[in-house]
Amino acid sequence: DQQVKQNSPSLSVQEGRISILNCDYTNSMFDYFLWYKKYPAEGPTFLISISSIKDKNEDGRFTVFLNKSAKHLSLHIVPSQPGDSAVYFCAAHQRTSGTYKYIFGTGTRLKVLA
Amino acid sequence: ETGVTQSPTHLIKTRGQQVTLRCSSQSGHNTVSWYQQALGQGPQFIFQYYREEENGRGNFPPRFSGLQFPNYSSELNVNALELDDSALYLCASSLAAGEQFFGPGTRLTVL
Repeated sequence: DQQVKQNSPSLSVQEGRISILNCDYTNSMFDYFLWYKKYPAEGPTFLISISSIKDKNEDGRFTVFLNKSAKHLSLHIVPSQPGDSAVYFCAAHQRTSGTYKYIFGTGTRLKVLA
Repeated sequence: ETGVTQSPTHLIKTRGQQVTLRCSSQSGHNTVSWYQQALGQGPQFIFQYYREEENGRGNFPPRFSGLQFPNYSSELNVNALELDDSALYLCASSLAAGEQFFGPGTRLTVL
């Protein structure tokens, strides 16, 4: 049962253009969402997060949008740079009975073409 | 400030063997989470330790066990290895429910 889904395994974008990465989820009890970036041979690195009570969070070139009614979030990168080429994971945070965990999607490989 | 480190970086074992993976958390962090990332998949939560106690567990069998030490470093133990246990094992440390910082992972291959 995949509670967090990233349906696009890969995406190619021209340098300077917008990259849009999408994520869908099924559990309405998630209280916040995160995006991680992963380079080869490294662990995931936190990028940006959004609380379930907000619909937008912006940090420099990165903006995350949350549509709770559609159970959908997206990460926008503007402008895209070649250094943004990596695998991006969407993750949802769930708190249950005093414990918590993160549930990750399968990732989207972004390639920014120079 | 030292980041999260994991050892070893690579490991090859045969089916039925046991393995121990190690993680040193970032300075000041008291919570460690372990994840399994199979090829082409996202990280799957195995379990989490907070102040030496297991604080949450994903859908993994009991042959996956762990420990957290007083210095908040941690071990992941896997008994009776199966071929499907081949994966990248990631450790992440945090201060309680704060942002998680991941180590580079241990690549385990089971033959």
